[in-house]
Order: sequence, then structure tokens, then C-alpha cells
Amino acid sequence: KQEVTQIPAALSVPEGENLVLNCSFTDSAIYNLQWFRQDPGKGLTSLLLIQSSQREQTSGRLNASLDKSSGRSTLYIAASQPGDSATYLCAVHNNDMRFGAGTRLTVKP
Amino acid sequence: GAGVSQSPRYKVAKRGQDVALRCDPISGHVSLFWYQQALGQGPEFLTYFQNEAQLDKSGLPSDRFFAERPEGSVSTLKIQRTQQEDSAVYLCASSFLAASTDTQYFGPGTRLTVL
Repeated sequence: KQEVTQIPAALSVPEGENLVLNCSFTDSAIYNLQWFRQDPGKGLTSLLLIQSSQREQTSGRLNASLDKSSGRSTLYIAASQPGDSATYLCAVHNNDMRFGAGTRLTVKP
Repeated sequence: GAGVSQSPRYKVAKRGQDVALRCDPISGHVSLFWYQQALGQGPEFLTYFQNEAQLDKSGLPSDRFFAERPEGSVSTLKIQRTQQEDSAVYLCASSFLAASTDTQYFGPGTRLTVL
């Protein structure tokens, strides 16, 4: 059974810092990996989707990498802003979608 | 519609009551998914529809949970004889393609509290 782990569980940084969120998974036979953002009381917003054949995807200040062989992905956020404060979830697709428990990010002004 | 919508947004039920949660997917989306998200955890897969066909219900925790999508659009998740451990946010997602690996678009969820 696929297990997805996210480290750290919570992170607090001052505005402007660059930061990295980590995701690891146990079964490397995935179709793709997706990073989501979840705001309190809201659904999930897709940030980046990396196909299994890809190594990274970029969108604005966000960059996600995928190392399938080692079962790892990172989400890099450049020049963090208070509006980035949210919970970030990674999810891997095998036959269904498995989520990590998320990293709760707080960016302080 | 502009996105996936769910109703009600909040539901409080007494233990033993039946509840029905509704999901309106994005128009034209073939695939529909239900997830259960406990407090402080990531969503967990419950079930998957392709049009009106329920192709995977392996995540449903017990036979008290039942989902349907009779016309291939709106879906309803029904929980019979609710228990306290059913308290969670129930998320619905839809995707355009039939493949279960397509990008999924999520609704805001229904927060169920069982007293």
C-alpha cells in the first residue's frame, strides 16, 4: 500500500524567505505526483502536477521536483509572502490518489 | 458551472441519523471522486465514478456508506446510521478525462459533525 509522508508537519518563516517542503512515497510506480494548497475551510487547489516521466514543473514562484527512483518530491517556494500561508499537500497517483498529511505553512509579515 | 460545488457546507447530525451529501461536478467532467478528510490529515479516497458507473468503491469504510451518480453528473454520498467516527470533511473532485490519473478539481467540502 502506498504511504505518503510530508516533512515538516508545520513551518513558520518570515516573509521573503525561500523554503522547501518535502514529500516522500514508498511505491515508485506512480503515474504522476501533484501538489495542492488547502486554505482553512476550503477545498484543494492544484498547484503543480508532475508526470512520472518529468523531473520538475515550475509555476511562478513555485518549483516542484520529482525523483521517482528515490520516492521523493520537493516543493520550492521562492520569496515567500503572507498570502502563501496555507496547508500544502502532496498526492501520488497509482491506481488511486494517496495524500500526505500536509505541511502547515505560516509566513509572518 | 465555474467549479465543483458541494452542499450542504456544514452538517450536524445526531448519532444514528442518516445523512446525504451532494456534489455538483464541473459540467462535462467524466470522472468524479469522493474523499474523506479527518482533522489534521490528508484526504483519503472513498470511491470513483466514470459517468454513472462506480468503478472503484474500495475506500468506503463500511457498508453504511453508499454513493451514487445515476445520470452521470450530480453525485450523492449517503451515510446511514452515522457514528462519531464519521465526523470529517467530505471532499468531492471531478476530472475531465476518464482516466483516474487526470488532474482533479476539488469542491469546498462538506464538514460533517456527528454528536
